[in-house]
This record gives sequence, C-alpha cells and structure tokens, in this order.
Amino acid sequence: GAGVSQTPSNKVTEKGKYVELRCDPISGHTALYWYRQSLGQGPEFLIYFQGTGAADDSGLPNDRFFAVRPEGSVSTLKIQRTERGDSAVYLCASSWVGGNTEAFFGQGTRLTVV
Amino acid sequence: AQKVTQAQTEISVVEKEDVTLDCVYETRDTTYYLFWYKQPPSGELVFLIRRNSFDEQNEISGRYSWNFQKSTSSFNFTITASQVVDSAVYFCALKGGSQGNLIFGKGTKLSVKP
Repeated sequence: GAGVSQTPSNKVTEKGKYVELRCDPISGHTALYWYRQSLGQGPEFLIYFQGTGAADDSGLPNDRFFAVRPEGSVSTLKIQRTERGDSAVYLCASSWVGGNTEAFFGQGTRLTVV
Repeated sequence: AQKVTQAQTEISVVEKEDVTLDCVYETRDTTYYLFWYKQPPSGELVFLIRRNSFDEQNEISGRYSWNFQKSTSSFNFTITASQVVDSAVYFCALKGGSQGNLIFGKGTKLSVKP
C-alpha cells in the first residue's frame, strides 16, 4: 500500500482479555516501530524491528506486551491480560534503516480497556 | 539519557501571524538527528523536517523555517503567515546515532484562529 496501515482503527476490550494489533508497513521498509500515545502526551517508544528481529524492545512496559514480525513485513503487537491503564493510541511506523531517515506513521489503533 | 523538551504546551495565534515552536534536546551522542512532526486532528503523524547534528545550516521551505543551534541544544520551528490548516499538535523528536527509535517531546498544540 501507499502508507502504513493499522488495523483495527478502534478496539474496545474488557479488562483481562487478550488483544492483537496489526501493522502493515510501507513496502520495502526494513525498520518497523511501535509507539504508544496517551492523551496529551508525545508518542512513547515500545519496540523496534530491523527485519524479522527485535533490535530494541526496551520500551515494552512489562511482559504482558509482546510483538512479532515473522516475515519482516507485517507486525503484530500482542497484549495479554489487558488493564485499564493500557488504554491509549498505539502507533506503528516504518522506515528505511539508518539514522538519517524519517519514519512514516500509520493512523493508529485506539485501544480502550473497560 | 536522551530527552526532548517542548516548553510550550499550547499556543494560540490569529491567522497570518508568525509563530515559533520551541524545542530543546539533551543527548550525549555526537551524531544525532532531529525531526519535527505534525499531528492534525485526524491523528496521523506527518513528517515535516529532519536535521543532522553535523549540519547546522538553517533552512526555509515555503512558510516553514528551522533554526538549529547546537550551542544551545535547540531546534526551533517557525511558521510564517500562519493559516487555519496549520492547527495541529507539533512534535519535536530526537534520534541518537546509535539508536533506531525516536524520542518525542510532549508536543505543542497550535491553534490558528481565523
């Protein structure tokens, strides 16, 4: 596709449930990022993939959060035993690898845990 | 530690006024990259500009200009002759030379009134 695509755009789930958020990056981009944005805040880094491997997962808040990118393209962010504090907009971005490259962001998935 | 500070939480101007958004950063990297992103009400982060730490040349692009000063660790962004469509949240971001991910400030909400 032309841009980064994230599905679903909105997700409402009950506390304790498991959710999966999907990101389809720009074709050919080897780097993929997940961020979380709470209301009134800047995006907060979660995890960064180069190809299939997680190059940096230092932003994942705890072991309930996990992400995969098995074929080096589409990525899934998985959250187990969701908590109300997980409610936020989850943003995905992709780029070419390299410091001097901008990341292109998707529209985000708004997750609400009730 | 890497940090980006946007001291202005909200700015309100009248159309055609010039407006400058401030950004101060902290990093120990000698090579790093700075970015500005715009987030309109639709929610998608839109890339505006990047600068390398070794390139202090300032630039003007249409109504946008940037002032990068390493001596004060600042990377300010100016919109000349603001328009209502410029209303958005603007984020400054930093990427260290050894990192893949962006560190964002908390953003400045710009409201341009007709």
